[in-house]
Amino acid sequence: KQEVTQIPAALSVPEGENLVLNCSFTDSAIYNLQWFRQDPGKGLTSLLLIQSSQREQTSGRLNASLDKSSGRSTLYIAASQPGDSATYLCAVMNGNKLVFGAGTILRVKS
Amino acid sequence: DGGITQSPKYLFRKEGQNVTLSCEQNLNHDAMYWYRQDPGQGLRLIYYSQIVNDFQKGDIAEGYSVSREKKESFPLTVTSAQKNPTAFYLCASMSLPGNTIYFGEGSWLTVV
Repeated sequence: KQEVTQIPAALSVPEGENLVLNCSFTDSAIYNLQWFRQDPGKGLTSLLLIQSSQREQTSGRLNASLDKSSGRSTLYIAASQPGDSATYLCAVMNGNKLVFGAGTILRVKS
Repeated sequence: DGGITQSPKYLFRKEGQNVTLSCEQNLNHDAMYWYRQDPGQGLRLIYYSQIVNDFQKGDIAEGYSVSREKKESFPLTVTSAQKNPTAFYLCASMSLPGNTIYFGEGSWLTVV
């Protein structure tokens, strides 16, 4: 059974710092990996999608990498801003289902 | 605007009651999903459907039921058999495996 783990569970950084969020998964036979953002009491917004054949994806200040063989992905956020404060979740697609990690709660202090 | 609409946003259920959460999408997506989110935990899959009139159980289907009579609609019924239903429920849809999944804004269910 696929299991997804995110480290750290929570992170607090000053504004302007670069930061890395980690995601690991136990079964490397994935179709793709996605990173999401969730604001309190809201639904999820997709940030980046990496297909299993890709190594990374970039969108603005966000960069996500995928190492399928080691079962790891990282989300890099450059020059963090208070508006980046949210919960970040990663999810892997196995077959027809997305399996989620518990998320990393990020707080960027101004 | 295209998107996924969940209703109601907040719902209170009395002991022994069945309640139904609505999910409608106008994205013309084939696949639809229901997830449950508890505080400090990730999303857990309840049910999913890839085509009309067909659906499969997810990891925590006990105490829940769904229907998929129309492509646009995938309602979730929380039955009285679900002993701990208080949670945040999220509906999602996707066009094809491997594409981006889109989520609704969620529904909060509380047992009173």
